[in-house]
Formats: sequence, C-alpha cells, structure tokens
Amino acid sequence: AQSVTQLDSHVSVSEGTPVLLRCNYSSSYSPSLFWYVQHPNKGLQLLLKYTSAATLVKGINGFEAEFKKSETSFHLTKPSAHMSDAAEYFCVVSQKDYGGSQGNLIFGKGTKLSVKP
Amino acid sequence: DSGVTQTPKHLITATGQRVTLRCSPRSGDLSVYWYQQSLDQGLQFLIQYYNGEERAKGNILERFSAQQFPDLHSELNLSSLELGDSALYFCASSVGQDSPLHFGNGTRLTVT
Repeated sequence: AQSVTQLDSHVSVSEGTPVLLRCNYSSSYSPSLFWYVQHPNKGLQLLLKYTSAATLVKGINGFEAEFKKSETSFHLTKPSAHMSDAAEYFCVVSQKDYGGSQGNLIFGKGTKLSVKP
Repeated sequence: DSGVTQTPKHLITATGQRVTLRCSPRSGDLSVYWYQQSLDQGLQFLIQYYNGEERAKGNILERFSAQQFPDLHSELNLSSLELGDSALYFCASSVGQDSPLHFGNGTRLTVT
C-alpha cells in the first residue's frame, strides 16, 4: 500500500533564502508523485508531477522536485523564497496499482511554509 | 482560477440536518472528485465520478452520497450531520485518468 510522509509540519525561511520541503513515500509499484500548494482559503493547485520520466521535475513558480528511488524521497525545493510562497504544501502519491484511478491520491499531512521578510 | 466552481462557499447548519454541496467542473473535464479536509484527518478522498458513473470510492460515510448529472456537475449530499462532519469539502475535476486535478475553492461546512 502507498503512503506518504511529510517530515516537517512547519518550515520557516527568510525571503531570498532556499526552500526545502521534505517528503518520503512508500509504494509497492512505480509511483506517480505530485506536489500541490494551498493558499489560505483557496483550493489546491498542482505545482509539479513526477510520472517516471526525468527524475528532476520542474514546476511552476520556480519550484522543482527530485525523485530519488534509493531514498524513497521526493523533496520540493526552490532556490530563493518569495513572500508569495507562504502557503501549505502537500506531497501526494497516486495509488497507481489500484486500477490507476487518480481519485485514490494519498495526501501527506501538509507542510506549512512561512516566509519572513 | 481553476475553473472549478463550488457552491455555497460557507454553510452553517445544525446536527441531524441534511445539506447538498454543488460542484461544476472545468469545461471539458469528465471526472469529478470529492475530498474532505479537516484539521485532524487531513485531506481525505471521498468519491470519484467519471462521465456520470461512480468510478472510485474512498473514506465516504454511508450518511454521505454523491452523484454526477448529465451536464457533468456533481452534488455531494451529507445527511444526519454530526459535529465531526464540520470540515472543508473540496471538489476537483480532471480530463482523464492521469491528468492533473483542478480543485475548487471548497465549501466550508460548520455543524453546530
């Protein structure tokens, strides 16, 4: 069975410094992995998606994530944080072996990113 | 703007009551998904419809039901409401199976 663990519930960085949001997954099969962002009082927005093509995935707003099978990790990074990046970020694994229905997305508990001026 | 519309934005009701949440998917999207987000449970998948038919079921209680209509909009019905049903309910839509999900802004349900 798939699962996903976001290692930090809250990360605080200063504007202009790098961002690292950590995610580990567990999957019996080759997983599809996603990062979504949720701004306050808004729905979730897809940042990026990994589906067994390139291991380094570039997303929107300067974010990227690297799939490391040996470490079962899919950490999200950004070289330089902006105030507008303050939001909650969710790492997600797709239950691809369960008929492939994307409804069976397993969400992490979320990491709240704060950006200090 | 994701293109997914959810109404109402907020709903306050009493225990034991029944409510209906509505979702209009993005134009062209055939799949609709319902999720519940609460502080203690996080984001939980409830149910998925594809072109009017139920496709997958998650942690959906028997008191809850959903349907997708011929015009592809969907409704989530919550009955015999309990305090613990207070949560943010999201609808999402996608074109197909491996396509990204596009989320609405949610309906915040408060049960008093």
